[in-house]
Amino acid sequence: AQSVTQPDIHITVSEGASLELRCNYSYGATPYLFWYVQSPGQGLQLLLKYFSGDTLVQGIKGFEAEFKRSQSSFNLRKPSVHWSDAAEYFCAVGPGGSGGYNKLIFGAGTRLAVHP
Amino acid sequence: EAGVTQFPSHSVIEKGQTVTLRCDPISGHDNLYWYRRVMGKEIKFLLHFVKESKQDESGMPNNRFLAERTGGTYSTLKVQPAELEDSGVYFCASSQDSYGWYTQYFGPGTRLTVL
Repeated sequence: AQSVTQPDIHITVSEGASLELRCNYSYGATPYLFWYVQSPGQGLQLLLKYFSGDTLVQGIKGFEAEFKRSQSSFNLRKPSVHWSDAAEYFCAVGPGGSGGYNKLIFGAGTRLAVHP
Repeated sequence: EAGVTQFPSHSVIEKGQTVTLRCDPISGHDNLYWYRRVMGKEIKFLLHFVKESKQDESGMPNNRFLAERTGGTYSTLKVQPAELEDSGVYFCASSQDSYGWYTQYFGPGTRLTVL
């Protein structure tokens, strides 16, 4: 069955510290991979996406993610966290290639708290 | 450019009542999706419209849920009658092109509480 696992429900880091949010997926075909962020009162905002090519993907707000096919992982990283990064982060996968079936499968989310 | 908007932002109803959620996608986006997040669990796909047609409604939980998209613009999701387990946050998203995997832009969600 297709699924996405985010092992960490809550993470707390100090401002300025580095961050890594984990994401593992189970998918029968080549997936497209996404990270979204939801700040309080806001909709889901796309941070970055991976379709093909370079396995290290740069996104907005200084985030990056690395696709590792052998580990079925797509972990999100940021070298120095800002207080404004406190939010909930969602990893998602979708079917690769064309076909028009674009439903996303989401993980349960990781809530990030940032200490000053 | 306006983003995806959803109305209402919150709705509290009693079990057995009817609720209608509305989503206005980004102008020009043919694709509209509904998702739901229940009790802090995963966000789950409900259905996908391409213009006014239902492309995929495999995620709709049961026949108490009815989605429409008349004229291929805004969409409504009606729950009738509502049950306790329908409580959650309902997200709407839109994208420009099915086959190009354009980004799905999400609205802020409607938080539905069924008492």
